[in-house]
Amino acid sequence: NAGVTQTPKFQVLKTGQSMTLQCAQDMNHNSMYWYRQDPGMGLRLIYYSASEGTTDKGEVPNGYNVSRLNKREFSLRLESAAPSQTSVYFCVSPGQDPPYEQYFGPGTRLTVT
Amino acid sequence: DAKTTQPTSMDCAEGRAANLPCNHSTISGNEYVYWYRQIHSQGPQYIIHGLKNNETNEMASLIITEDRKSSTLILPHATLRDTAVYYCIVRVGSSNTGKLIFGQGTTLQVKP
Repeated sequence: NAGVTQTPKFQVLKTGQSMTLQCAQDMNHNSMYWYRQDPGMGLRLIYYSASEGTTDKGEVPNGYNVSRLNKREFSLRLESAAPSQTSVYFCVSPGQDPPYEQYFGPGTRLTVT
Repeated sequence: DAKTTQPTSMDCAEGRAANLPCNHSTISGNEYVYWYRQIHSQGPQYIIHGLKNNETNEMASLIITEDRKSSTLILPHATLRDTAVYYCIVRVGSSNTGKLIFGQGTTLQVKP
């Protein structure tokens, strides 16, 4: 079991460029989440997917789009990157049963110049 | 949504117990409290969780007050490797679609 994997680990973009962050989990979980973490702060929810084919906005969805491609994969897209999107992005997949332990990916460190 | 408040930073001497408090006064009856820690910008590492009862595992103990409005994470014998940011998190929602509400965390510095 690889758990939750994310690609890429690091990325530098210029303002206005686009990119897609990939996340995959091999635990057959229904739910998947994208969080961002800015320096010195806790994680903030961008988007989440309760099940294959559904997505919902979190606290900070502006500037992002998501796709739940199948049960395993949940991607996050930046259509036109801005310096304010410089952050570390974490994909999370909670367990199916109580206590719904949260499984974190290793993170993607994105810098937008 | 339930929120958590934690002290910004704490120091602890190596080998002593580290007691990290968390306030979650608006927590609802079915919301779990989780503790995670994060070293540098690695993914958060799970430590322990609880609902109503005190809990203990190989890493730590979690003491939850009877009214559930606050909790304390106890690292019984802190080591230098326990230096990290510790997050007390409430999981809002009763199913696997619940959301994590992060505070800013407590930076624990373990000193020799």
